[in-house]
Amino acid sequence: EAGVAQSPRYKIIEKRQSVAFWCNPISGHATLYWYQQILGQGPKLLIQFQNNGVVDDSQLPKDRFSAERLKGVDSTLKIQPAKLEDSAVYLCASINLGNNYEQYFGPGTRLTVT
Amino acid sequence: ILNVEQSPQSLHVQEGDSTNFTCSFPSSNFYALHWYRWETAKSPEALFVMTLNGDEKKKGRISATLNTKEGYSYLYIKGSQPEDSATYLCAHTGHTTDSWGKFQFGAGTQVVVTP
Repeated sequence: EAGVAQSPRYKIIEKRQSVAFWCNPISGHATLYWYQQILGQGPKLLIQFQNNGVVDDSQLPKDRFSAERLKGVDSTLKIQPAKLEDSAVYLCASINLGNNYEQYFGPGTRLTVT
Repeated sequence: ILNVEQSPQSLHVQEGDSTNFTCSFPSSNFYALHWYRWETAKSPEALFVMTLNGDEKKKGRISATLNTKEGYSYLYIKGSQPEDSATYLCAHTGHTTDSWGKFQFGAGTQVVVTP
């Protein structure tokens, strides 16, 4: 089966600019996650979707971050405006509920804010 | 332990040597412990999902053990090879309704295997 797809792989922007990331999960995976991984730290959950509904967005900085999964398949994560501290790897993951929560990750987007 | 902690943060291993490192997690509200290998510029790859106390899993030269009562898991690499160089992440999931499907990650152990 095809894996989790993400784009772009790398992005460099200046602070106060906007950026968007795209994720296409594994076909049939209802649950989709966006994580932020800052260098030296573990991945931190930003938002969890179940189909096209939000399960948890408690750690999403909603003043600048937004995410949507309109048709319950692919998803976009947007940052507007970006800050220096947003420099991180943004990982998308999806899970198959019938498989002991085995999570499948995309390759991530490495964002550098200058 | 309230958070997931991994130690050491990094380690350098000579090719052919064996090594191991630790993941500590909350022993209450436990459903599963997950290990991932994350190579540079690649997707994190699931190694093991462990649910039962005393569980031992093996994949090639890599194995893991689980102690849910005391809240720790060890990952072992036998006869390390340069291709084992990666960051190894562990993640904990709980069984309560509000922790369903939520993965709490450690900061990872970065392993560098030198020829």
